[in-house]
Amino acid sequence: GAGVSQSPSNKVTEKGKDVELRCDPISGHTALYWYRQSLGQGLEFLIYFQGNSAPDKSGLPSDRFSAERTGGSVSTLTIQRTQQEDSAVYLCASSLTGTTTNEKLFFGSGTQLSVL
Amino acid sequence: AQSVSQHNHHVILSEAASLELGCNYSYGGTVNLFWYVQYPGQHLQLLLKYFSGDPLVKGIKGFEAEFIKSKFSFNLRKPSVQWSDTAEYFCAVNAGGTSYGKLTFGQGTILTVHP
Repeated sequence: GAGVSQSPSNKVTEKGKDVELRCDPISGHTALYWYRQSLGQGLEFLIYFQGNSAPDKSGLPSDRFSAERTGGSVSTLTIQRTQQEDSAVYLCASSLTGTTTNEKLFFGSGTQLSVL
Repeated sequence: AQSVSQHNHHVILSEAASLELGCNYSYGGTVNLFWYVQYPGQHLQLLLKYFSGDPLVKGIKGFEAEFIKSKFSFNLRKPSVQWSDTAEYFCAVNAGGTSYGKLTFGQGTILTVHP
């Protein structure tokens, strides 16, 4: 596609439910990232994919969070047993190679997650 | 752990005023520095970046930023703002030897420009 696509754009869920957030990166981009932006905070790195592998999961806040990427393309971020503190905007980004530090990231429009 | 601090949460200017948004980071080694911008209703996008060479870098739409290593700063400037510059601006750093886009972001500065 022309840009990074995320779905849903908004998700409201009840505490304790599981949610899945989807990211479709730019075609041909090898690297994919998930970031989170909580209210009043900067973007917080969650996980990095190189192809289908995730060599850096250091930003995942707890074992309730997991992510996978299939076919070197679409990625799904899953949050189990959601808590109110999980409420945030979840942003996905992709880049061409993920092998240089100054590579431009292309961001999606994000998923606004609200946990009631 | 590295951190990025943006001094102003909300800046309000009139058109044609000069702009300087502060950004400081905490990391003593080699860094790559970025400013990203999010215009209303749009995706976050790259404004400019520094990775080596001339510490004064120029980006899109007349923006520039100066890397001052001794001050751990990477302030964003524009001599004359326009109403269309209204947006949220994020400073970010890639540090610690990672070879991929793992960025630490500041909390963002909302810029409102009145016509």
